[in-house]
Amino acid sequence: NAGVTQTPKFQVLKTGQSMTLQCAQDMNHEYMSWYRQDPGMGLRLIHYSVGAGITDQGEVPNGYNVSRSTTEDFPLRLLSAAPSQTSVYFCASSYASGSASSYEQYFGPGTRLTVT
Amino acid sequence: GDSVTQMEGPVTLSEEAFLTINCTYTATGYPSLFWYVQYPGEGLQLLLKATKADDKGSNKGFEATYRKETTSFHLEKGSVQVSDSAVYFCAGETGGFKTIFGAGTRLFVKA
Repeated sequence: NAGVTQTPKFQVLKTGQSMTLQCAQDMNHEYMSWYRQDPGMGLRLIHYSVGAGITDQGEVPNGYNVSRSTTEDFPLRLLSAAPSQTSVYFCASSYASGSASSYEQYFGPGTRLTVT
Repeated sequence: GDSVTQMEGPVTLSEEAFLTINCTYTATGYPSLFWYVQYPGEGLQLLLKATKADDKGSNKGFEATYRKETTSFHLEKGSVQVSDSAVYFCAGETGGFKTIFGAGTRLFVKA
């Protein structure tokens, strides 16, 4: 199993450009999420999906779009990049484990994005 | 709303010292609680978890006990190693699979 994979690892954009961050998982997990990590702020949820065809907004969704056409893939689109979107982006997948149905997250290695 | 608060870092310890990283949570009900670890240049990975009050999660010498009365889930290790240097995140489930994370605590362990 490759687990959760993300591409690219690094990206530099100019203000106003658009791009897609790719995320894929091979564990057949129902749930997938996108987070951004900023210094001193932990991880903040951008968008999430509870299954193919179903997505919803998280805590900081503005400026981002997602889609989930398959169980495996969950791309994140930046519509018009802004310097405030400079961050490290993590994709994660999850499933309900155990009798207590806790949802541990499996993270990708991250994409470091700089917007100039 | 739900929140997770953990002690600010960085925490700097000498090898073989005792580690405590405090974490408290505010939530509706009693969510599952987690500690995740992030090594330099990598994504987060699950360190340990507890799904109900008085549960103790443990892994790699780390442990944490889910205390309902104090709403806490402090991370401890009796003897840290240089290889434990990383950022540690406390987290709790908040409505189904959605997870809320603390700000993270950076640990440096000196040889």
